[in-house]
Amino acid sequence: QQPVQSPQAVILREGEDAVINCSSSKALYSVHWYRQKHGEAPVFLMILLKGGEQKGHEKISASFNEKKQQSSLYLTASQLSYSGTYFCGTDPPYSGGSNYKLTFGKGTLLTVNP
Amino acid sequence: GAGVSQSPSNKVTEKGKDVELRCDPISGHTALYWYRQSLGQGLEFLIYFQGNSAPDKSGLPSDRFSAERTGGSVSTLTIQRTQQEDSAVYLCASSLVVVGNEQFFGPGTRLTVL
Repeated sequence: QQPVQSPQAVILREGEDAVINCSSSKALYSVHWYRQKHGEAPVFLMILLKGGEQKGHEKISASFNEKKQQSSLYLTASQLSYSGTYFCGTDPPYSGGSNYKLTFGKGTLLTVNP
Repeated sequence: GAGVSQSPSNKVTEKGKDVELRCDPISGHTALYWYRQSLGQGLEFLIYFQGNSAPDKSGLPSDRFSAERTGGSVSTLTIQRTQQEDSAVYLCASSLVVVGNEQFFGPGTRLTVL
C-alpha cells in the first residue's frame, strides 16, 4: 500500500519553514525519508523506527507517530539547497519472511526561491 | 569508499530486444534493491536480494523481467522482449542489511525503448 504524501508541491522563500506529511493505512515498522534533485539519485535523509521517535539532521527533522501511522518531515529556515523532491518510504513489520518491501510515496516537490 | 554503480547509464533499444542492466553495490552490503522510476513519478519497488536470494519476486512487473545476484555482489536486471512502457530510469540501491537500514542509491540506468 503506497503511503500518501502531502502536499504534492510547495514553494518557499529562503528562510521559510515547511512540513511534509506521510501517512499509511497499514501498520509500519519504519519510515524512511529521501531527497532527490532533478536528474540525480535519491539521497538518504533519515530513518525513523517504530517507537515514535523524532530525529534531526541540521535544520531538517522528522517525527513518527506509530499509532497514527504517520510521519512528518520538518524543514526549518529553508535554504536554496533544500529544493528537490522529497519521498517517504514505509515498510511493514518484518517477520524475516518474504514480506519486506519499502514502498515510496509519490513525492513532494519543494522549491525554495531566493 | 566507492558508492553504488550502475551500467550502462543510458540504454536505447528497439521494441522486442532484450536488455541487461547491471548494479555493483557497496562492498559488504548484503541487501540489494531494484526500483523503477517513470518520468515524474515515484519509486516503484521491483525486487530485493538478501545475499544471493530474492525471497519475493511478485514486484516484478511481468514475466519478461528477471533479476539475479551472484557472489553476494553484482546484480543483473534483465528485461526480455522490451516494450515501450518499460522506458524508465532503473535504480539500484544497497544497504548493510535488509531491515531498518539506510539505502544507498546508484545513479540509475535510463532505458528508452523505441
